[in-house]
Amino acid sequence: QSVLTQPPSVSAAPGQKVTISCSGSSSNIGSYSVSWYQQLPGTAPKLLIYEYNKRPSGIPDRFSGSKSGTSATLGITGLQTGDEADYYCGAWDSSLSAGIFGGGTKLTVL
Amino acid sequence: QVQLQESGPGLVKPSETLSLTCTVSGGSITSSGYFWGWIRLPPGKGLEWIGGLYYSGSTYHNPSLKSRVAVSIDTSKIQFSLELSSVTAADTAVYYCARWVGASGHFDYWGQGILVTVSS
Repeated sequence: QSVLTQPPSVSAAPGQKVTISCSGSSSNIGSYSVSWYQQLPGTAPKLLIYEYNKRPSGIPDRFSGSKSGTSATLGITGLQTGDEADYYCGAWDSSLSAGIFGGGTKLTVL
Repeated sequence: QVQLQESGPGLVKPSETLSLTCTVSGGSITSSGYFWGWIRLPPGKGLEWIGGLYYSGSTYHNPSLKSRVAVSIDTSKIQFSLELSSVTAADTAVYYCARWVGASGHFDYWGQGILVTVSS
């Protein structure tokens, strides 16, 4: 059972938009920045979003992040088959004095 | 461009200690504000934050693993290491090393990962 809660799976058609939620608490998302990672099959996770809505160099603006209270959301527009991957949210948790990840969401582009 | 590379045995026997090393290139391991961390991905499960350390020596660990985890840094070799003691089959996973940006709390650079299997 992860401290951050994500839906196990989401799906949408190519070209459409999808959102992935990440629900936490005041000791993590409510107080600290959220990051999002994309893990393509057989590869290491890649940073997509940090500090809620900032994108590292090279990440297209199809990817966006937002936060409201103790929840965060990753949005992906203009879906491509290459976006099929597992997506994880992450944050610091002051109660644990450790970092935490969500359980991960598998994105299927139909 | 910072690069990280994990190394270590791919097979560990139950009850023994798993030891991994991460070699850093393209950046200084002594820079302040960066935490050198370990993450794992068990088969069929999600990412798990293991722990790590700042160059200053401050360490942080997942409470569920804390009693079994030891991390260290070797600045002369530009490496940091993980030791996980008393392993069981549940510790079988792909282990990643990564750099955590302390101020904003995210992993910006990751190693490619190394599969460690716990089996007799």
